[in-house]
Amino acid sequence: DAGITQSPRHKVTETGTPVTLRCHQTENHRYMYWYRQDPGHGLRLIHYSYGVKDTDKGEVSDGYSVSRSKTEDFLLTLESATSSQTSVYFCAIGTSGNSDTQYFGPGTRLTVL
Amino acid sequence: SQKIEQNSEALNIQEGKTATLTCNYTNYSPAYLQWYRQDPGRGPVFLLLIRENEKEKRKERLKVTFDTTLKQSLFHITASQPADSATYLCALDNMEYGNKLVFGAGTILRVKS
Repeated sequence: DAGITQSPRHKVTETGTPVTLRCHQTENHRYMYWYRQDPGHGLRLIHYSYGVKDTDKGEVSDGYSVSRSKTEDFLLTLESATSSQTSVYFCAIGTSGNSDTQYFGPGTRLTVL
Repeated sequence: SQKIEQNSEALNIQEGKTATLTCNYTNYSPAYLQWYRQDPGRGPVFLLLIRENEKEKRKERLKVTFDTTLKQSLFHITASQPADSATYLCALDNMEYGNKLVFGAGTILRVKS
């Protein structure tokens, strides 16, 4: 988890409310990723960023948006949270886009009631 | 459809034995495959990467094989210890999403003393 922090670590919210999760890195890595992890599904890519203000969709991007205004910060926003978005969210960083080992943050456990 | 399959049932072995975990994939043509370790409540940690032109890779007590004909990777831990107990994830590059990683659901390994 060195060099990557996520906040908050735990959050309980209600359906329909907006939620923003923050990922902060001190490694100056170009690539940043948001995943969700659910039992039986493994890690699934939501969105990723390949530079400041450069982002793209992953496998399960519906209902999520991201922003990256600084190299060190990558925000994940749920505009209107739904119960299906209850999950553990992980941020990861990497030095290149391909053939890249990734370094993960500690995760955020989000519960949408 | 594309699938990555790892043993869904936990693998229980005795300390000192060799643990062998399997990762099978369907309808992917990965250039490389990675293995990660995940402890409860924490983010995954990178262990090993093996490329399509490599048959085997070793790191201390860890060994990974990659058979692109069988579409399978095997992950071995020799002289296993209780501290090796964790969930092990395989991941490969997915051309559909710019060669970003796609993960299997993981296999739980329990090493008993």
